[in-house]
Amino acid sequence: AQSVSQHNHHVILSEAASLELGCNYSYGGTVNLFWYVQYPGQHLQLLLKYFSGDPLVKGIKGFEAEFIKSKFSFNLRKPSVQWSDTAEYFCAVTAFGAGNNRKLIWGLGTSLAVNP
Amino acid sequence: DGGITQSPKYLFRKEGQNVTLSCEQNLNHDAMYWYRQDPGQGLRLIYYSQIVNDFQKGDIAEGYSVSREKKESFPLTVTSAQKNPTAFYLCASSDQGKIAYEQYFGPGTRLTVT
Repeated sequence: AQSVSQHNHHVILSEAASLELGCNYSYGGTVNLFWYVQYPGQHLQLLLKYFSGDPLVKGIKGFEAEFIKSKFSFNLRKPSVQWSDTAEYFCAVTAFGAGNNRKLIWGLGTSLAVNP
Repeated sequence: DGGITQSPKYLFRKEGQNVTLSCEQNLNHDAMYWYRQDPGQGLRLIYYSQIVNDFQKGDIAEGYSVSREKKESFPLTVTSAQKNPTAFYLCASSDQGKIAYEQYFGPGTRLTVT
């Protein structure tokens, strides 16, 4: 079965530090990749997505992610975090042709706390 | 203003009672989903529906039921058979006609059963 693994469950950073959150998935076929963010008390919302083309995708609020097919990875990055980036971050994958009926497969999430 | 509404935001019930959570969308999306979110466990799919009058079980469907009589609405019933119903429930929808099936989420309903 397909799965998504987020390596960091809890991350604590100081403002202006750089961020990289790991995401790996297990499926060898075509995928769509997503990062969602859940700010405290707010809706889950899309940060960025990849479905084809340039493997380096840029999202909202200065986030970016790089799809490395050979490593089955889609790591999220931000050069300089702010206190307002404190949130829970989820990686998700749609695996096409895998019999999962286009469902999103979710990682367990990474809780990021940014200290001012 | 398009989006997904879930009501109520907080819901309290006594053990043994069925409870129905509302989800409505005005995005004209064909597909709708119900997830359960528990701390440290990510999002787990309960049920999903890709078209009106059709729905499929997700990974943790036991103790839940749904209906999809209208495109806009996908209510979830948490039955007394659900062993651990206290959780945060999220409804989502997606446009199956697009290449990347991103999902749009409602604000969630926090259910507490005592």
